Amino acid sequence: EPEVTQTPSHQVTQMGQEVILRCVPISNHLYFYWYRQILGQKVEFLVSFYNNEISEKSEIFDDQFSVERPDGSNFTLKIRSTKLEDSAMYFCASSGRDGDLRSSYEQYFGPGTRLTVT
Amino acid sequence: GEDVEQSLFLSVREGDSSVINCTYTDSSSTYLYWYKQEPGAGLQLLTYIFSNMDMKQDQRLTVLLNKKDKHLSLRIADTQTGDSAIYFCAESIYNFNKFYFGSGTKLNVKP
Repeated sequence: EPEVTQTPSHQVTQMGQEVILRCVPISNHLYFYWYRQILGQKVEFLVSFYNNEISEKSEIFDDQFSVERPDGSNFTLKIRSTKLEDSAMYFCASSGRDGDLRSSYEQYFGPGTRLTVT
Repeated sequence: GEDVEQSLFLSVREGDSSVINCTYTDSSSTYLYWYKQEPGAGLQLLTYIFSNMDMKQDQRLTVLLNKKDKHLSLRIADTQTGDSAIYFCAESIYNFNKFYFGSGTKLNVKP
């Protein structure tokens, strides 16, 4: 069964450093997402991406965040200058097969990348 | 703003039914979801219901939606130890682009 994969599973970085979190969405999906979950808190939406552009973003997704689909399979989240409060589990998700509107409503999540900023 | 609330813990005995509850505040919800998270794993989509439905059954899972009270529940029949996990309720509003999640309910199934 196709699944969303994420690498690395755990990333430790120093405050102020740039990190890139990588995701490989399900291959025939058209919509891509990033969410994060700070320890003990809710899963929060960050950004959605469709047709090579951001379709929606939350207040959390400020100028230090960016997303990119550098090739036909990867979807990345970059944090330019990490802060302590960026420490969280970051989930990638994908949805939507071409010609199947209902599948757009079915978001499939990866296992997450735990980001620790020290 | 959108707010999705769940109780934090539920403990049941193997073979019993489990009922996990969720309340939400936004009446514009289009779809409501249940996800399962096992330790070290991602969020697994279990089932979802369109907001104009009031019930959906899928094998051991039954979803009930009370739109008037903005209450969603997930019933797991014949709960097994393998059902032990955190269960998240989520809603999408207007479009499918972003989901709002509850805090998750940790289900503990005792043998």
